[in-house]
Amino acid sequence: DIVMTQSPDSLAVSLGERATINCKSSQTVLYSSNNKNYLAWYQQKPGQPPKLLIHWASMRESGVPDRFSGGGSGTDFTLTISSLQTEDVAVYYCQQYYNSPLTFGGGTKVEIK
Amino acid sequence: EVQLVESGGGLVQPGRSVRLSCIASGFSFGDYAITWFRQAPGKGLEWVGFIRGKPYGGTTEYAASVKGRFSISRDDSKSIAYLQMDSLKTDDTAVYYCTRGPAGDPWGQGTLVTVSS
Repeated sequence: DIVMTQSPDSLAVSLGERATINCKSSQTVLYSSNNKNYLAWYQQKPGQPPKLLIHWASMRESGVPDRFSGGGSGTDFTLTISSLQTEDVAVYYCQQYYNSPLTFGGGTKVEIK
Repeated sequence: EVQLVESGGGLVQPGRSVRLSCIASGFSFGDYAITWFRQAPGKGLEWVGFIRGKPYGGTTEYAASVKGRFSISRDDSKSIAYLQMDSLKTDDTAVYYCTRGPAGDPWGQGTLVTVSS
């Protein structure tokens, strides 16, 4: 199984400042035949289902603000919120869909400092 | 608009069964995999299993924790996917979500299954 490790567990950032979340996979999620990283990022607000923000590691979903960006390749990935807004308070998860079992990181709780 | 709606949850005794439904709309249902995830109260996200779309044979895969107890099926004519849950354990208590594809987009609102005597 691919183990996904997120850091930090929680993060407090001032409004307008940058927030960076890290995600590391225990083996590559880069599929060499198509050069795609099978890595997604989700946002989950209290009482709501998760929302897909980014797939293929860096492709933002339609309607997701451009302050959210995903980067990395192979085994090391980041989710960056360039300028934190109050509505970004949530738990963020990374997930690999390279192979079964699909696995998630443990989540990072983002709060306002 | 792409939408998925889960139903069928509730309180169930250990060892019993329940079937969840996932009704989809707004896309060509048969072409897509449908994935089930769950989230225990206050915990993170866990993959349960998925069923591939017709172009990929409609085959299924399951998490080790549910393999042999849960099964996923689909009725493409009705745009519905099912999660049959047998021999339920208290550890299966969770909100169950269905999604389109392995990178879940979108997620339904979920349905709570509580396994308790």
